Amino acid sequence: NAGVTQTPKFQVLKTGQSMTLQCAQDMNHNSMYWYRQDPGMGLRLIYYSASEGTTDKGEVPNGYNVSRLNKREFSLRLESAAPSQTSVYFCASSARQGMWAGELFFGEGSRLTVL
Amino acid sequence: AQRVTQPEKLLSVFKGAPVELKCNYSYSGSPELFWYVQYSRQRLQLLLRHISRESIKGFTADLNKGETSFHLKKPFAQEEDSAMYYCALAGTASKLTFGTGTRLQVTL
Repeated sequence: NAGVTQTPKFQVLKTGQSMTLQCAQDMNHNSMYWYRQDPGMGLRLIYYSASEGTTDKGEVPNGYNVSRLNKREFSLRLESAAPSQTSVYFCASSARQGMWAGELFFGEGSRLTVL
Repeated sequence: AQRVTQPEKLLSVFKGAPVELKCNYSYSGSPELFWYVQYSRQRLQLLLRHISRESIKGFTADLNKGETSFHLKKPFAQEEDSAMYYCALAGTASKLTFGTGTRLQVTL
């Protein structure tokens, strides 16, 4: 039972390079999310997708793009990586909107370093 | 706007001592509040939610709308409680807003 799977787990980039973080969930969840986790700042929402076919900006969307490829997959792209994007990235999913929306299931995280 | 504040970055307690992790929120509507926990080398996971009014691993949390707080409490800390704890609020649309987290360190 995989739950939420993220790849890659680790990545080192040079400034200006691009990359895509992949996320897939096998729980038939409607909503998916990308967060970044930085020391002293907790988890901050980058983008989310409340349902297949929709995406919306979170708190810190600048420098990122997302694609909800289908119900299972939600990718995060860095077009031109910057050192400020060094962080741990978490993908998460939840079943429905409404009162149960708050129960998120998280991936293991992807540690990204931008030199 | 919705906001969650966890004033303590680190809380260090002795084994067997009571624990209280503070969480305050700001939200104009009716809040749904949660505590998430991240143990070392494990995924972030839901610990408890206020609507369930349950006790998980000895932890409880009561929503106080008057004080806009949702503090996490446990009467007797155990070593295995050492972890990072995040308070979170589900408000607008499908978004969940997290606080900055409190690291609980339980020492012998």
